[in-house]
Amino acid sequence: SQQGEEDPQALSIQEGENATMNCSYKTSINNLQWYRQNSGRGLVHLILIRSNEREKHSGRLRVTLDTSKKSSSLLITASRAADTASYFCATDAQAQGAQKLVFGQGTRLTINP
Amino acid sequence: DGGITQSPKYLFRKEGQNVTLSCEQNLNHDAMYWYRQDPGQGLRLIYYSQIVNDFQKGDIAEGYSVSREKKESFPLTVTSAQKNPTAFYLCASSITGHALQPQHFGDGTRLSIL
Repeated sequence: SQQGEEDPQALSIQEGENATMNCSYKTSINNLQWYRQNSGRGLVHLILIRSNEREKHSGRLRVTLDTSKKSSSLLITASRAADTASYFCATDAQAQGAQKLVFGQGTRLTINP
Repeated sequence: DGGITQSPKYLFRKEGQNVTLSCEQNLNHDAMYWYRQDPGQGLRLIYYSQIVNDFQKGDIAEGYSVSREKKESFPLTVTSAQKNPTAFYLCASSITGHALQPQHFGDGTRLSIL
């Protein structure tokens, strides 16, 4: 079952610009995580935000969470060519138990030099 | 270096054949997971194990089997009952089975039909 849905499906920007990706989900959560996947590779964990947090930063990454709207956003500032990848949100839908993460379909980000 | 190793990187299956994908971790993590990723899609959970000698079905377990005899190993068998096995398979682990823990991923096995 699909819990998170990313928007847009694909995003192409110039190097140095900011990139914003959004994730919406359907049921209550304990936490939401963002992952990056380079082409043909495994996923890499970027950041985790708990349901009682509204914003979190890690380097050039900024994640927000609005539980009333059931949505989260990932902002990458001052983008670089190396940021080209797919980005996924993952949630632990409470109704499905605390042991599983459910991943969205991802946003494919392309940074043009 | 600690991490997760998946092998082989590419695998080809003949009709009616079972194939086994290897996943080994040296992170001392209790929980391990198998996901399937189809082109342009997200990850779907096949099986997961929170502790040695125990595992649970995920959302798409039909046609797959697993074992967890050792903490560091969680092999996945794609059986002949899985009629559409062509996909990218990802193994992951986390310190515990709780979803508050980040998951660490291997670099995947790409399975194709001959």
